[in-house]
Amino acid sequence: GQNIDQPTEMTATEGAIVQINCTYQTSGFNGLFWYQQHAGEAPTFLSYNVLDGLEEKGRFSSFLSRSKGYSYLLLKELQMKDSASYLCAVSDSNYQLIWGAGTKLIIKP
Amino acid sequence: GAVVSQHPSRVICKSGTSVKIECRSLDFQATTMFWYRQFPKQSLMLMATSNEGSKATYEQGVEKDKFLINHASLTLSTLTVTSAHPEDSSFYICSARTGTSQETQYFGPGTRLLVL
Repeated sequence: GQNIDQPTEMTATEGAIVQINCTYQTSGFNGLFWYQQHAGEAPTFLSYNVLDGLEEKGRFSSFLSRSKGYSYLLLKELQMKDSASYLCAVSDSNYQLIWGAGTKLIIKP
Repeated sequence: GAVVSQHPSRVICKSGTSVKIECRSLDFQATTMFWYRQFPKQSLMLMATSNEGSKATYEQGVEKDKFLINHASLTLSTLTVTSAHPEDSSFYICSARTGTSQETQYFGPGTRLLVL
């Protein structure tokens, strides 16, 4: 079957760095997405990785290792507004997104 | 760019009535649109995939006669919840994707449905 695993909840301190991991097992792979979702709102696109390596975009970076079925989202200089759920999703062989359950990130002052 | 709108943002209706939700891509042509449902504290659940001009493909367990989807143009898809019941109360979110299959899905702001 297809499976996306990510931690349910993480806590970090304002100004610090946090890494949210995602492991996947899917039928085919056409890229991995990270989305941010604030409570009561729709997801917003953060990043897309299809090749191995690190993609940096401001305070957020996303890493992919296809051989290990692994990705992480790295958030630097954490701000209170970063408190949200972070969703990992993999595009499978049919280009359908398989979603993880999301990681709720709590930022403390 | 890549803005998707949804209307209404919030709707309250009586049990047994039908509710229509619109999803529009404002600045791009969406050949494919997706409808998701999300219950509190749960992840997104894909309901159906619709391609412009063709019938929607529904996920297993989603009743196509209850959740009517129309994707009549490259910028508009509608979801109609027919004969709504309290258990249909949820957060409904659409997303849109441009031509190539690898393109990112952009999400609308969602519609919160409460059926009394």
